[in-house]
Amino acid sequence: GAVVSQHPSRVICKSGTSVKIECRSLDFQATTMFWYRQFPKQSLMLMATSNEGSKATYEQGVEKDKFLINHASLTLSTLTVTSAHPEDSSFYICSARDYRRGTSGDQETQYFGPGTRLLVL
Amino acid sequence: LAKTTQPISMDSYEGQEVNITCSHNNIATNDYITWYQQFPSQGPRFIIQGYKTKVTNEVASLFIPADRKSSTLSLPRVSLSDTAVYYCLVGVHNQAGTALIFGKGTTLSVSS
Repeated sequence: GAVVSQHPSRVICKSGTSVKIECRSLDFQATTMFWYRQFPKQSLMLMATSNEGSKATYEQGVEKDKFLINHASLTLSTLTVTSAHPEDSSFYICSARDYRRGTSGDQETQYFGPGTRLLVL
Repeated sequence: LAKTTQPISMDSYEGQEVNITCSHNNIATNDYITWYQQFPSQGPRFIIQGYKTKVTNEVASLFIPADRKSSTLSLPRVSLSDTAVYYCLVGVHNQAGTALIFGKGTTLSVSS
């Protein structure tokens, strides 16, 4: 399957600082990427949909000014947690949409990155 | 987006076949069914995807009845390393791209 990477894998920062997380599709182009957040022993929660060259679409309850998303190329989306606070500590996971048109129909599969563990002190 | 329902947990022993069934009664005509596996502190890993009937790959099989209101993930001869959370998701395929909404998943525990 296709590979999606995230960087960094772990980050510890002080309260009030900003943290940038990168998501890359390594062997395919992704016009659409998604950002999720996962708290311990819970399922993934969708935060936003990131489309290349346009503004991200945020889910209800997710502050767009706090979680800045940039999707400047077909292989890179970034999530910046601004003025991070301890309650932002979580596991952040991105996914990239691999969409292909085929003779037998369209094929779409989402591949996930390995995740980024954020700890805000 | 179609809502899915799966068992919260399942237990199995090494070498057994495990079948996890997912209900998606409101699945739409152009929705596909995708299963993911997740280990602690890792991103979900794609297992298998299908639209109807049966799909098989090197790690699993996916059975989808004609009405598509449910699907069954079959893992042949599980091992301890198959202990993980398994998610069933449905999503539409189109050029706009639709996010996958995760349910609680099924926690599979494999014992020796």
